[in-house]
Amino acid sequence: DGGITQSPKYLFRKEGQNVTLSCEQNLNHDAMYWYRQDPGQGLRLIYYSQIVNDFQKGDIAEGYSVSREKKESFPLTVTSAQKNPTAFYLCASRSATALNTEAFFGQGTRLTVV
Amino acid sequence: GQNIDQPTEMTATEGAIVQINCTYQTSGFNGLFWYQQHAGEAPTFLSYNVLDGLEEKGRFSSFLSRSKGYSYLLLKELQMKDSASYLCAVTDTDKLIFGTGTRLQVFP
Repeated sequence: DGGITQSPKYLFRKEGQNVTLSCEQNLNHDAMYWYRQDPGQGLRLIYYSQIVNDFQKGDIAEGYSVSREKKESFPLTVTSAQKNPTAFYLCASRSATALNTEAFFGQGTRLTVV
Repeated sequence: GQNIDQPTEMTATEGAIVQINCTYQTSGFNGLFWYQQHAGEAPTFLSYNVLDGLEEKGRFSSFLSRSKGYSYLLLKELQMKDSASYLCAVTDTDKLIFGTGTRLQVFP
C-alpha cells in the first residue's frame, strides 16, 4: 500500500540533545513538507522540498535542519538551538506537478523534551 | 508574505448546517484546500478549489472567491463525528500554508 510513514509515534528526549524524526513515502511524490503543531493551534511550516538535494526554509525554520538525499525520505532534525521543541510534528507529501492534488500526511511524531 | 484567517471555535447542533469561513492573502495562489483533523491525529483531505465557485462532495461543500480572497466550507446534516478541527490551506507558489484552524463542536 502506498503511503507516508513517520516514526516514531512518541519520542522523549532530554533538553540539549539533538533528535531526528523520520519521514518516508512511497507515493512517488516530489514535494515533501514538515509542519509543527502546538496544542489548539494550526500547522506551521518548518521546511519544504520540491526535489531531491534541494529544500527551502518555511516560516519557523530556526533550530531545525533537514536533508533530502532520496526522493522517498525527508528527515527532520530538531537541534538543541530550538527553544521550545515539545510539539506534534507532521510530515506531508504531494505531487509537485499536479497542483490540484492534495497533500498526504503521516501519522505524526509527538516529541516531548524534558 | 501570506496570511490565512479562520474563526477559532464554532458550535452547532446535530442535524444542522454550519459554514466555516477562511480569508487569505498570498503572493502566488495555486489553489485552496480544506482538511479535517481529529484531536491527536493527522489531517485528512476534504476538498480543493482553484476556480471561483462551489464544489460539492456529499455533505460537504466548499466555495472560493479568488477576487475576494475568501473561501468557506459548508457542512450539512451535522453528525457528532463531525466534531473536529477544520483547516484551510493555501498553495502559495510552491509552499502549502495552513490557517490556524477552526475547532467545531457538535452538540446533540
